[in-house]
Amino acid sequence: DIQMTQSPSSLSASVGDSVTITCRASQSVASNLHWHHQKPGKAPRLLIYTVSSLQTGVPSNFSGSGFGTDFTLTINSLQPEDFGTYYCQQTDSSPFNFGPGTTVDIK
Amino acid sequence: LQMQESGPGVVKPSETLSLTCTVSGDSIRGSPYFWGWIRQSPGRGLEWIGRLSHSGGTDCNAALQSRATLKMDTSKNQFFLHLTSVTAADTALYYCVRLLGKLPDHWGQGTLVAVSS
Repeated sequence: DIQMTQSPSSLSASVGDSVTITCRASQSVASNLHWHHQKPGKAPRLLIYTVSSLQTGVPSNFSGSGFGTDFTLTINSLQPEDFGTYYCQQTDSSPFNFGPGTTVDIK
Repeated sequence: LQMQESGPGVVKPSETLSLTCTVSGDSIRGSPYFWGWIRQSPGRGLEWIGRLSHSGGTDCNAALQSRATLKMDTSKNQFFLHLTSVTAADTALYYCVRLLGKLPDHWGQGTLVAVSS
């Protein structure tokens, strides 16, 4: 199975800051890497698919990059509604594992 | 699109967990999408369970050791998860999802299942 790791596990940032979250796969997943966002008490929502494509309705201050084993999610100009936990997920090979999550707190 | 999970809430150890996902706003019959289940627990995080297509083909997480069965009833626009021989490790929040291929692009609200005697 492909194992996913994320760093940091949590962070605090102020409104307007830029934030970068890293996701690493234990073996190459090519571009089959996606990001989901979960707010407390809510279901996750697809944020970015195939490394860098924004899901409909996702604002342009979100961006993703990477290929193979190393990926990043960047949030420019952090907004209050961006708090929550961000999960990466690979769909290169079954089981389509998720990372452990990165929790973003707004200062 | 709305997806609503329903289930027993509590299941006894060694018994079978059965969950239903009712879909509205899209027809699962003949849909190009797949339909599946993901669960979430504090100890295991988000865990892929499996997916099925409108034609009935399935793809499940091998870690569940064949305990999981996915089925659908297109006449009711519902699909189902049956998980046999449950243990405390199966206690989780269970989400039904719509998938574009392998990618979950829409999640239900989730239903909490506790395995307890």
